[in-house]
Amino acid sequence: NAGVMQNPRHLVRRRGQEARLRCSPMKGHSHVYWYRQLPEEGLKFMVYLQKENIIDESGMPKERFSAEFPKEGPSILRIQQVVRGDSAAYFCASSRLGGYTFGSGTRLTVV
Amino acid sequence: EDKVVQSPLSLVVHEGDTVTLNCSYEVTNFRSLLWYKQEKKAPTFLFMLTSSGIEKKSGRLSSILDKKELFSILNITATQTGDSAIYLCAVENGSSNTGKLIFGQGTTLQVKP
Repeated sequence: NAGVMQNPRHLVRRRGQEARLRCSPMKGHSHVYWYRQLPEEGLKFMVYLQKENIIDESGMPKERFSAEFPKEGPSILRIQQVVRGDSAAYFCASSRLGGYTFGSGTRLTVV
Repeated sequence: EDKVVQSPLSLVVHEGDTVTLNCSYEVTNFRSLLWYKQEKKAPTFLFMLTSSGIEKKSGRLSSILDKKELFSILNITATQTGDSAIYLCAVENGSSNTGKLIFGQGTTLQVKP
C-alpha cells in the first residue's frame, strides 16, 4: 500500500501559467480532501471530493481554482493563471470511514 | 465560525525536557480531535481523540481531551532532537457529513541537544 501519492513534489510556474497537482488516494479510499498550507500557517481546507462528485468546495477560491476526482485516475487540483500568492504547499488527504492519511504535498512556487 | 487555536506558536527546549502543547477549539459540531506531527513533508498521524478524560499514549507522547472546556493537550516527555517538528491540532467537523478538518496554526517545537 503506497499511501497517498502526490505529484509533482515541487512545481515552479511563472505568473499566468497553469498548475496541475495530482493526488492518488490510498487503495480503497474513496474520499479525497485538498488542503493548502501557506508559510507559517496551519493547513486550510479547500475542497472535498468523492469519485466524480464535489461534495464541499467551501474553502476553494471561486476563481481560477478547480478540482476533480474522475472515475478513473487521480484527483486533480487545477490553478489557472497562477499569481505569487498561490505559492504554498498543497496537501491531499484521503479517508475511508474516518481516519485521514496525508500525502507528502506539492510545493508550488510562482515566480 | 469554527476555530482551532494552538499555543505556544513556538517552543525551544533541551533534550530531556518535558513539553506540553495546547489546543483549544470552537466547533459547531465536534466529531473528533486529531494531533499530527509535520516534519518536512506529510503530516503524520499521532492521535485521534473523541472522548473526554481518556488519555491516549504512544511511547513518550500522550494526549487527552476535555470536551467541557474545549481543549486538548499533547505531552512529550524526555524530548529528543528527533521530536523537532511542527505539531498540528485539527478538529473534525461532523456537520453535513463532509468530515473536513479545521487546523490550528501549529506549534513549532525545536529540541536542542
